[in-house]
Amino acid sequence: SQTIHQWPATLVQPVGSPLSLECTVEGTSNPNLYWYRQAAGRGLQLLFYSVGIGQISSEVPQNLSASRPQDRQFILSSKKLLLSDSGFYLCAWSETGDSPLHFGNGTRLTVT
Amino acid sequence: KQEVTQIPAALSVPEGENLVLNCSFTDSAIYNLQWFRQDPGKGLTSLLLIQSSQREQTSGRLNASLDKSSGRSTLYIAASQPGDSATYLCAVPTGNQFYFGTGTSLTVIP
Repeated sequence: SQTIHQWPATLVQPVGSPLSLECTVEGTSNPNLYWYRQAAGRGLQLLFYSVGIGQISSEVPQNLSASRPQDRQFILSSKKLLLSDSGFYLCAWSETGDSPLHFGNGTRLTVT
Repeated sequence: KQEVTQIPAALSVPEGENLVLNCSFTDSAIYNLQWFRQDPGKGLTSLLLIQSSQREQTSGRLNASLDKSSGRSTLYIAASQPGDSATYLCAVPTGNQFYFGTGTSLTVIP
């Protein structure tokens, strides 16, 4: 069966520090991968999605970036965090663009 | 661009009541619609996926309906329990993206 792992679960970082969040999927090949952010009291915002290795689509201009160095690995990064980057970050995967979407447990990021 | 709306934003009901959550979308050219549950501080758990060719999908006390032509879906929860308290979100795929509603926060009062 397929599983998705996302870490860390919580993170507190000072403004201006770098960020690296990692997500891996097991039990499937060439999945579509997604990074979402959920700010307090707000809906899910799609940040990046990837349909294959090295293929990244960005939905929102910001100081975040994403990379997919391996088929089932998706990394969210920032060189310098802003206060506004605080939120709940969720990784998700689907087999295709219209298959069921499955989420990881999320990372709670607090930028201080 | 697909827009997804969920009404109401919040709902509070006594235990045992049946309830309906609503989801509407602007672009009816969808493959399916998925309902999720999110507990506070947690990720999203898939509840039901209803294909565009289906009109209903059932899982236990949950029943989801889909009317593509009118751009609407409902999630019916029968005999609500305090454990049903959570935020419920609907999502539709368009292209390689999934568009989410802002959710309905449900509180079931014992």
